[in-house]
Amino acid sequence: DQQVKQNSPSLSVQEGRISILNCDYTNSMFDYFLWYKKYPAEGPTFLISISSIKDKNEDGRFTVFLNKSAKHLSLHIVPSQPGDSAVYFCAASEGAGGGADGLTFGKGTHLIIQP
Amino acid sequence: DAGVIQSPRHEVTEMGQEVTLRCKPISGHDYLFWYRQTMMRGLELLIYFNNNVPIDDSGMPEDRFSAKMPNASFSTLKIQPSEPRDSAVYFCASSLRRFRGQIQYFGPGTRLLVL
Repeated sequence: DQQVKQNSPSLSVQEGRISILNCDYTNSMFDYFLWYKKYPAEGPTFLISISSIKDKNEDGRFTVFLNKSAKHLSLHIVPSQPGDSAVYFCAASEGAGGGADGLTFGKGTHLIIQP
Repeated sequence: DAGVIQSPRHEVTEMGQEVTLRCKPISGHDYLFWYRQTMMRGLELLIYFNNNVPIDDSGMPEDRFSAKMPNASFSTLKIQPSEPRDSAVYFCASSLRRFRGQIQYFGPGTRLLVL
């Protein structure tokens, strides 16, 4: 039973346009969400996060939106650049309140930025 | 900081052999996590430690898998005996406890192939 779902295995976007990556979750106990980016032959690297007490977090070209009622979050990249081509993982945990838990990951979306 | 260090980066072994994967977390981090990535299951948590003590090993697939953390700067994941279905990329991650939210930092992974 997948608790974190990324339904698009791949996404192709033109350079300069907006990339929108989506993620759905089923566990209502999740209260902290993260996006990781992964290049081939490397480990995932942290990109941006959001706590359940917020509905938006922004960091430069990256913005994450959280809709708790829909159990949905999305990552927006504006403008998209060739270096953004990578696999993006959505992850969630129940440990935002000072505890620590392992992360539950989605299966990833391969973002391809077309020149 | 050198980041999370894993060794070896690649391991090819024959079925039935013992495999030991090694991890050095980021200095000062008090949590260490072992994950496995496969095509079928994606990234899944195997076990994690807090201050060198195993907290949750419910993700360890079988008794053939064991993990230790003898000190704050070293952890091992051992598979004995190994089987072809253990072939995967194994990641180690570390984090530092915070009041709200934790970011896990991943190593480059060990790509294991069991023939």
